[in-house]
Amino acid sequence: KAGVTQTPRYLIKTRGQQVTLSCSPISGHRSVSWYQQTPGQGLQFLFEYFSETQRNKGNFPGRFSGRQFSNSRSEMNVSTLELGDSALYLCASSPSRGFTEAFFGQGTRLTVV
Amino acid sequence: DQQVKQNSPSLSVQEGRISILNCDYTNSMFDYFLWYKKYPAEGPTFLISISSIKDKNEDGRFTVFLNKSAKHLSLHIVPSQPGDSAVYFCAASRDNYGQNFVFGPGTRLSVLP
Repeated sequence: KAGVTQTPRYLIKTRGQQVTLSCSPISGHRSVSWYQQTPGQGLQFLFEYFSETQRNKGNFPGRFSGRQFSNSRSEMNVSTLELGDSALYLCASSPSRGFTEAFFGQGTRLTVV
Repeated sequence: DQQVKQNSPSLSVQEGRISILNCDYTNSMFDYFLWYKKYPAEGPTFLISISSIKDKNEDGRFTVFLNKSAKHLSLHIVPSQPGDSAVYFCAASRDNYGQNFVFGPGTRLSVLP
């Protein structure tokens, strides 16, 4: 069974640009969450999607947005990139919202220059 | 304001001995706690979890203890193996029907042969 797949693995963008990251959950998993990992702040929750609807949102500005498609694949978008957005972005999936354990992908390393 | 704290950034243990990783939390609404292990260049991997209705959960070499009154949990690894060397994250959730986890900053465990 394939794990959580995130693309691309690495990305370099310029300040002010926008970026879209993709996450394909484990087959059959319907819940997808996104986290930002930075050395200073650790792992911080961005948002959770289930059945194409955002169910939870962390404390991030509106420049961070996401969506989920009918096949459970999810994308997150960051607009007007800032240097501080440089981080590892991790996606996690689980079978349902009532399932506590989440399975993480390898992440997308975003560097903003 | 960190709601989940792991006050030891690093820990070194001899192979075969016990590793004890500690985690403190401030939010008494948290009712699910998890430990994740992360190797470099990989996403976090779920290790073990505990619900607030329990004070201990065991899975092979891994045992998690929860002290609700002290808002403290610990992960015991016995016996420690070199392959256990990784960063360990404690995570908490106050919504056991969702994936909105609050992560601690992590503790880097080194198991010395």
